[in-house]
Amino acid sequence: DADVTQTPRNRITKTGKRIMLECSQTKGHDRMYWYRQDPGLGLRLIYYSFDVKDINKGEISDGYSVSRQAQAKFSLSLESAIPNQTALYFCATSDLQGQYFGPGTRLTVT
Amino acid sequence: GENVEQHPSTLSVQEGDSAVIKCTYSDSASNYFPWYKQELGKRPQLIIDIRSNVGEKKDQRIAVTLNKTAKHFSLHITETQPEDSAVYFCAASNALEYGNKLVFGAGTILRVKS
Repeated sequence: DADVTQTPRNRITKTGKRIMLECSQTKGHDRMYWYRQDPGLGLRLIYYSFDVKDINKGEISDGYSVSRQAQAKFSLSLESAIPNQTALYFCATSDLQGQYFGPGTRLTVT
Repeated sequence: GENVEQHPSTLSVQEGDSAVIKCTYSDSASNYFPWYKQELGKRPQLIIDIRSNVGEKKDQRIAVTLNKTAKHFSLHITETQPEDSAVYFCAASNALEYGNKLVFGAGTILRVKS
């Protein structure tokens, strides 16, 4: 779904580095989400935002922060990356019809 | 909070056979249950969903059933084809209270052998 884009698509970084993952959408949805996917664990919610002024922690928010710069943009930051944050990260948006995912960012922390 | 369990974790079927994936949820207030398909290297895609006011929904070869009393729901794929091979995720949410904040199951790897 090209309406939800993520940058970068792949990133390798070192332990202790700060990194930002960006998400943009042209769907006009107010609600945006960040998930991480690990093998055998499904998709786990990191943070979600129901509008520009609303930010909420998900089930695994420790070590992460987010910024909702505009309705269309929702960024995820790792202030000091650690190896167990190596995962596939998905941004998503939603309306009353469902939730729609971006293409994902594969992050490796060495 | 909500907890969703999904079984089996892997499922192999012969082409043309049926496949069934089951999920249970813990929060009786959950009322929206989508299923996602994720092909290798791709994003999860919504394939079907059901809301708690219905017991069954069909879309061509896929169907979902919901048993609110037992708090479980299932995905049924008939006449499986090789292109059905993927990881399938169930999810649940209390759509009225939390919008579409979903809790996902751990996923089922479906392999369709031709």
